[in-house]
Amino acid sequence: KQEVTQIPAALSVPEGENLVLNCSFTDSAIYNLQWFRQDPGKGLTSLLLIQSSQREQTSGRLNASLDKSSGRSTLYIAASQPGDSATYLCAGPAITQGGSEKLVFGKGTKLTVNP
Amino acid sequence: EAGVAQSPRYKIIEKRQSVAFWCNPISGHATLYWYQQILGQGPKLLIQFQNNGVVDDSQLPKDRFSAERLKGVDSTLKIQPAKLEDSAVYLCASSLLGWDEQFFGPGTRLTVL
Repeated sequence: KQEVTQIPAALSVPEGENLVLNCSFTDSAIYNLQWFRQDPGKGLTSLLLIQSSQREQTSGRLNASLDKSSGRSTLYIAASQPGDSATYLCAGPAITQGGSEKLVFGKGTKLTVNP
Repeated sequence: EAGVAQSPRYKIIEKRQSVAFWCNPISGHATLYWYQQILGQGPKLLIQFQNNGVVDDSQLPKDRFSAERLKGVDSTLKIQPAKLEDSAVYLCASSLLGWDEQFFGPGTRLTVL
């Protein structure tokens, strides 16, 4: 059974700082791992999708890495800005009862970037 | 490209009443998901459709929750009767194939009094 853990639960940093959010998963036989952003009262926005054959993905100031052997993924945010303040969710796949793939989410890391 | 649409955005009901949520996925997406997100938690999958067939409903409380996806496009999720613990945000998502990137709608925030 896939379980996803995110550390820390909350993080507060000053503007401009580089930071790392951590995600660990129990089932390393994964296909894809996805990072999302959620603003208060809003749905989820997909940030990065790392396929099992990849080790990292980059989008702008964001870089996500995947280490299947250790069951870990990290999201690196460079030069953080107040607009980055949100909850960041990591989701790893599990196999459904029908044999397809579904996402199992961590509880998220609530990030606050202070101006 | 239009995103995933959901309605209503907010709903307040009393316990034991019934409620229904609607979702329109991204055009052409075969897979549709309904998630429940309780405050402070990550989303939990309730049901997954592939076209109009159910792929996974192992975490759907079937005594009170039901969902359908007629014609493999729009979907509705119903709760009857609602309980206090059903207060949550209900998120709909879709993906093209079922093992690729998921796109989420804005969610429906349900409050049960």
